[in-house]
Amino acid sequence: DGGITQSPKYLFRKEGQNVTLSCEQNLNHDAMYWYRQDPGQGLRLIYYSQIVNDFQKGDIAEGYSVSREKKESFPLTVTSAQKNPTAFYLCASSTARRGMQETQYFGPGTRLLVL
Amino acid sequence: AQSVAQPEDQVNVAEGNPLTVKCTYSVSGNPYLFWYVQYPNRGLQFLLKYITGDNLVKGSYGFEAEFNKSQTSFHLKKPSALVSDSALYFCAVRADTGGFKTIFGAGTRLFVKA
Repeated sequence: DGGITQSPKYLFRKEGQNVTLSCEQNLNHDAMYWYRQDPGQGLRLIYYSQIVNDFQKGDIAEGYSVSREKKESFPLTVTSAQKNPTAFYLCASSTARRGMQETQYFGPGTRLLVL
Repeated sequence: AQSVAQPEDQVNVAEGNPLTVKCTYSVSGNPYLFWYVQYPNRGLQFLLKYITGDNLVKGSYGFEAEFNKSQTSFHLKKPSALVSDSALYFCAVRADTGGFKTIFGAGTRLFVKA
């Protein structure tokens, strides 16, 4: 899992509650990503950021929000607007020097469950 | 639109036998292809990638993959499977016309039987 940490490992959300998933990297990577993984499906991109203070929506951004105030950190908030949040959430990072050629490195993931 | 297909949900092989996990892709522009492996309740680990050059790419843990442009395929192979290779394998593609997105296949579960 390299130099990317995610916390907590398990997270429980109550109805109407916002929860925040942490992602930190010490790889000096410029780009960071959040993916959602559901059983039998590939990873789907929620948000990504190529540089501090800038981020872009992915394919399934509705009900999620992010911030990128520091290069090392890219927290994801799952808001009450996300009606089906139960999933495995994966954070990744990569350098941005050669764009599409760069490998993404993944954290260990956070499993979010709804109470 | 970019897409990746992994046509087999599951692949079963006996230990010591060769294994192949299939992947086909569709992109506009030049493809950059990746294979990742995932063990239960863990993040994805990078195995190998094709950027340009030699069509046969060698990666971690004895895995290799062959890029076939005419068949738009990037199958993962290993000459002799180990029980410890049992895991979920993902193929992924990026294209130089696709922005910063990576498209992942749905994954193929590999079972290696002793």
